[in-house]
Amino acid sequence: DAMVIQNPRYQVTQFGKPVTLSCSQTLNHNVMYWYQQKSSQAPKLLFHYYDKDFNNEADTPDNFQSRRPNTSFCFLDIRSPGLGDAAMYLCATSRDPAGGQNEQFFGPGTRLTVL
Amino acid sequence: AQTVTQSQPEMSVQEAETVTLSCTYDTSENNYYLFWYKQPPSRQMILVIRQEAYKQQNATENRFSVNFQKAAKSFSLKISDSQLGDTAMYFCAFMSFDYNTDKLIFGTGTRLQVFP
Repeated sequence: DAMVIQNPRYQVTQFGKPVTLSCSQTLNHNVMYWYQQKSSQAPKLLFHYYDKDFNNEADTPDNFQSRRPNTSFCFLDIRSPGLGDAAMYLCATSRDPAGGQNEQFFGPGTRLTVL
Repeated sequence: AQTVTQSQPEMSVQEAETVTLSCTYDTSENNYYLFWYKQPPSRQMILVIRQEAYKQQNATENRFSVNFQKAAKSFSLKISDSQLGDTAMYFCAFMSFDYNTDKLIFGTGTRLQVFP
């Protein structure tokens, strides 16, 4: 089945130790998104890629970076995780919002713990 | 800036009954999309239903239907014949019609528990 895959599902890191979260998709969608969801809160968009074009949200901290080496993969890099970065990180894709195909398909998420 | 408000943090319903989840939003735009997403425990978020603001007819997907009141900026979700598998967190979300800002703005969610 076509899907959005996130690895790992659970990640534990130490305060200040860089960490990378991975997302891959078999849907061949143009757009890939990263959301941060803290406990009992709404998901919040960090940034997204429209093909190779990177779009950063204005309030996303510089500590968060992203890479999209090809259509299928997208990475979230947290350069120096703080305790406040502990959250569920959701990856999502959509085919072509410009064409009205704006349903977003979500992965299962990676739960990040910062010690 | 757009905002989405879900005023019911938790709801419960008995199996086979009907439940309505509330959502209000604020925007100055005339064209936009509204969504309800379902996030089951420990599982991925999936789309339940979508409504285009320019359509007057309320969207329906099997047991799920919405009551879209554009003037009141209200977008409630009705679940008929509730099933145990409907137990989940439900998020209402807004998306601008401008594809250059194709991000979802979520409400804080309503946790729905369906009891046997």
